[in-house]
Amino acid sequence: KNQVEQSPQSLIILEGKNCTLQCNYTVSPFSNLRWYKQDTGRGPVSLTIMTFSENTKSNGRYTATLDADTKQSSLHITASQLSDSASYICVVSDRGSTLGRLYFGRGTQLTVWP
Amino acid sequence: EADIYQTPRYLVIGTGKKITLECSQTMGHDKMYWYQQDPGMELHLIHYSYGVNSTEKGDLSSESTVSRIRTEHFPLTLESARPSHTSQYLCASSQIDRGNYNEQFFGPGTRLTVL
Repeated sequence: KNQVEQSPQSLIILEGKNCTLQCNYTVSPFSNLRWYKQDTGRGPVSLTIMTFSENTKSNGRYTATLDADTKQSSLHITASQLSDSASYICVVSDRGSTLGRLYFGRGTQLTVWP
Repeated sequence: EADIYQTPRYLVIGTGKKITLECSQTMGHDKMYWYQQDPGMELHLIHYSYGVNSTEKGDLSSESTVSRIRTEHFPLTLESARPSHTSQYLCASSQIDRGNYNEQFFGPGTRLTVL
């Protein structure tokens, strides 16, 4: 069964600190993995997208890693800001359909305190 | 910023009412999607469309219906709303590129509450 599991479920950190969010998946055949940021009451916004051959990708203070062998990904946030408070969702796409079906994790709810 | 719009943003209605959630995109994308999301839970695909006059049901069974008469417009209708329909509804669109990324751009969502 294709699944995406994220940990931790929630995380509280102080402003300026770093943090790392984890994603494990069982989706096969794998096409790509993306991390989305979803502010409360808003739609998800893409942060990074990685294919099988990529193992790291950065977008400003966000750095995503991918280990396709172990089917794990992480999102590292550097020097956190109050505006980073949001849900971070790991999404995996398969190659097995013309739709390019997406499998969503439940997200990690990050809260940054001043 | 993706150009995909949803209205209304918030809707509170009584049981039995008919409602239509609007979704429009100005990116010329062929594919459009509707997702349902409850608090703290993952997004579930309820409808999708490959293009004009194409509509398909998603993974999560839904009593809603959709139509795709124009490329840019993908409304979702509930004929008789019930409290179990209370949720956040997210619309998305995508265009397959050469890398088959199928990157989906999401609207801001409609928060529906049925009393």
